[in-house]
Amino acid sequence: QQQVKQSPQSLIVQKGGISIINCAYENTAFDYFPWYQQFPGKGPALLIAIRPDVSEKKEGRFTISFNKSAKQFSLHIMDSQPGDSATYFCAAREGSNYKLTFGKGTLLTVNP
Amino acid sequence: KAGVTQTPRYLIKTRGQQVTLSCSPISGHRSVSWYQQTPGQGLQFLFEYFSETQRNKGNFPGRFSGRQFSNSRSEMNVSTLELGDSALYLCASSLALLAGEGDTQYFGPGTRLTVL
Repeated sequence: QQQVKQSPQSLIVQKGGISIINCAYENTAFDYFPWYQQFPGKGPALLIAIRPDVSEKKEGRFTISFNKSAKQFSLHIMDSQPGDSATYFCAAREGSNYKLTFGKGTLLTVNP
Repeated sequence: KAGVTQTPRYLIKTRGQQVTLSCSPISGHRSVSWYQQTPGQGLQFLFEYFSETQRNKGNFPGRFSGRQFSNSRSEMNVSTLELGDSALYLCASSLALLAGEGDTQYFGPGTRLTVL
């Protein structure tokens, strides 16, 4: 049972474009939704995170949009750059425990 | 401040052997979690330790075990290795200033385990 579904599996955008990655979850007890960025040979690094009491959170070029009723959240990368090329994972966590449930990941390629 | 460190970075074992992986969390962090990353299954939670106690466990067989020491360093052990255990094993640490309070988890670079 895949509790967090992520799409698309891969994404190619041009430099300066907008990258959008979507996630949907099933467990309504999830209350913390982070996005991680992973480069080859590195561990995942936290990009931005949101809790369900807000519908949007922005940090620089990265924005999370959250739709609690639809149980969906998405990552928008504005003005995408070749350096953003990486694998992006959405995740969800329930309560105060430390078990992250991850989506399968999206391989983003930003062409110069 | 140094990040999460994992040793060794690469490991090659044969089926039936056992392996121990080590994780040193960020200084002052008290919670350590372990994840398995494979191309097919993605990132899957193995277990989490806080103050030397396992607080949470994922859906992995008993061949996978772990422990945490008083200095918060953690080890995980996989016994009777199978080909399917080949994966990147990631460790993440959190401050966990208040017991039971969730916060940001910082990942290490992982240990790449290959089982032949």
